[in-house]
Amino acid sequence: AQKITQTQPGMFVQEKEAVTLDCTYDTSDQSYGLFWYKQPSSGEMIFLIYQGSYDEQNATEGRYSLNFQKARKSANLVISASQLGDSAMYFCAMRHNYGGSQGNLIFGKGTKLSVKP
Amino acid sequence: DGGITQSPKYLFRKEGQNVTLSCEQNLNHDAMYWYRQDPGQGLRLIYYSQIVNDFQKGDIAEGYSVSREKKESFPLTVTSAQKNPTAFYLCASSNDREVSPLHFGNGTRLTVT
Repeated sequence: AQKITQTQPGMFVQEKEAVTLDCTYDTSDQSYGLFWYKQPSSGEMIFLIYQGSYDEQNATEGRYSLNFQKARKSANLVISASQLGDSAMYFCAMRHNYGGSQGNLIFGKGTKLSVKP
Repeated sequence: DGGITQSPKYLFRKEGQNVTLSCEQNLNHDAMYWYRQDPGQGLRLIYYSQIVNDFQKGDIAEGYSVSREKKESFPLTVTSAQKNPTAFYLCASSNDREVSPLHFGNGTRLTVT
């Protein structure tokens, strides 16, 4: 069965420093996609970054990068130069081919990031 | 601006009553989804729909029902059969392609007492 594991319930980082949020996944599929979402206290889910299983380069989007290690089945999110507004829950997710739907995602339990001034 | 609208933001109901959560999108997406989020947990799939007039159960469909009469709308009914309905409910849509992310609404927080 497909599964996403985020082992860090909470993380603290000093403003302007970099932080890595861990994510490991389990799947028997050869083709899959990995996503990271940010959920502020207001509740909305904000898409941050995507990595395809066949992508050779690590994905980057502004201050976000994804450290993809396929053999280890890990897809860690790196946030550079942390800002106070980065304080939120962060969820790692994997695309799950559920009953033919390409779009469904399965989620980890999340990591709460707190940025200290 | 295109997006997904969920209403209301907060909803209170008495136990034993059915309640319907609204979800509307103007992104022209074919696929729509309902997720449930409990405190300290990730999201779990309730129902999804890939096309109008068709929908499938997700992992936790018991006690819920949906309809998809229009492409733009995917309402979720929480029935009295749902044993623990108090939760945060998120609606999402996508192009249902492998690289397409899910776009989420702002969620509805349902409290049943």
